[in-house]
Amino acid sequence: EAGVTQFPSHSVIEKGQTVTLRCDPISGHDNLYWYRRVMGKEIKFLLHFVKESKQDESGMPNNRFLAERTGGTYSTLKVQPAELEDSGVYFCASSQDGLGSLKNIQYFGAGTRLSVL
Amino acid sequence: AQKVTQAQTEISVVEKEDVTLDCVYETRDTTYYLFWYKQPPSGELVFLIRRNSFDEQNEISGRYSWNFQKSTSSFNFTITASQVVDSAVYFCALSGTYYNTDKLIFGTGTRLQVFP
Repeated sequence: EAGVTQFPSHSVIEKGQTVTLRCDPISGHDNLYWYRRVMGKEIKFLLHFVKESKQDESGMPNNRFLAERTGGTYSTLKVQPAELEDSGVYFCASSQDGLGSLKNIQYFGAGTRLSVL
Repeated sequence: AQKVTQAQTEISVVEKEDVTLDCVYETRDTTYYLFWYKQPPSGELVFLIRRNSFDEQNEISGRYSWNFQKSTSSFNFTITASQVVDSAVYFCALSGTYYNTDKLIFGTGTRLQVFP
């Protein structure tokens, strides 16, 4: 079974440009999360989808960030326009609801390293 | 407010040494989950363990063991007889909801370097 896949693995853009990150969750996982780690600090929550609906977007830093999950499958996170402080590693995670020891565990991708110059 | 503190930024050991990674958490929730994740050089976060707040039993999985103590709000992780492959960044995390999936609150991570 494929894990959480993120594209691209690394993106370098200039301030003011637009970047779109993509996340493909584990098949069958209704929950999809975006997190970000900036400059060696803690990994911080951005938002949570349940299927195609935004369950919690309290961590989104500002309106330059737009997340979508069309059809409840893959998700995209767009940053427009990018600023220097947006640099960091963006992680995506997915989980499956239900009972059992493996349910409700968030499985993460390898992240997208975003560098804004 | 919820918070996770990993005071050790970086630890270096020689192979076969035992090493303990500390994790202290703060929460006002009576029910919660605690987690450990490993981030090897390849970058992905690998799930290691989840513990619920009602279960204070220590857990052992091979060379890994976890010590959960509510009295000190700690959830420490010990690697026995460390190996070079254990070199990674380890993150402790807290979730505020017992059953329904909730966001994870992470610590800043501890980088473990195991030298041969």
